[in-house]
Amino acid sequence: DAGVIQSPRHEVTEMGQEVTLRCKPISGHDYLFWYRQTMMRGLELLIYFNNNVPIDDSGMPEDRFSAKMPNASFSTLKIQPSEPRDSAVYFCASSFNLYYEQYFGPGTRLTVT
Amino acid sequence: EDKVVQSPLSLVVHEGDTVTLNCSYEVTNFRSLLWYKQEKKAPTFLFMLTSSGIEKKSGRLSSILDKKELFSILNITATQTGDSAVYLCAVERWGSQGNLIFGKGTKLSVKP
Repeated sequence: DAGVIQSPRHEVTEMGQEVTLRCKPISGHDYLFWYRQTMMRGLELLIYFNNNVPIDDSGMPEDRFSAKMPNASFSTLKIQPSEPRDSAVYFCASSFNLYYEQYFGPGTRLTVT
Repeated sequence: EDKVVQSPLSLVVHEGDTVTLNCSYEVTNFRSLLWYKQEKKAPTFLFMLTSSGIEKKSGRLSSILDKKELFSILNITATQTGDSAVYLCAVERWGSQGNLIFGKGTKLSVKP
């Protein structure tokens, strides 16, 4: 199994631009999670999906952030417009169900200048 | 407000030493506590603890939960340079399964 796949691994963009982060969960996992990690705030859950349906998006910071999961093998996290304070590492994770551990992808390091 | 606090924030030891990392929590409707190891990339799962007093072991790592005093410890014996990482503690709540609250982590550096 390839594990959780994220792309791109690094993204540098200018303030105001749209950024799209992509994630492919582990096959057979019904849950997909998007996290953001910064030095100041640590690792924070942004949103998670169950069977492609968003369940809890209380961590999404504001309307500039949106996430979709059009099918079981693909999810996107979009930031529009991006701001320098969005600079962070964004992780995607998946799990078989909520009673099993989450497996994290390698992350996307986003830098907004 | 629910919170998870880890201590120390960082720790430097020499190979062969034994270390104890701490995680205390204040959350409503506690369900489980998880430990993750984060090297340069993604966090990798170590343990999930749901019951008090039952030690979980994996090689040189072990962990135990105290639900009365609201904390957990992660022990690493005979440390090796490969143990150098940030160790993250996370808590899960009933009614918010999947919505893990993470601590800031303990950065462990093991010197040869």
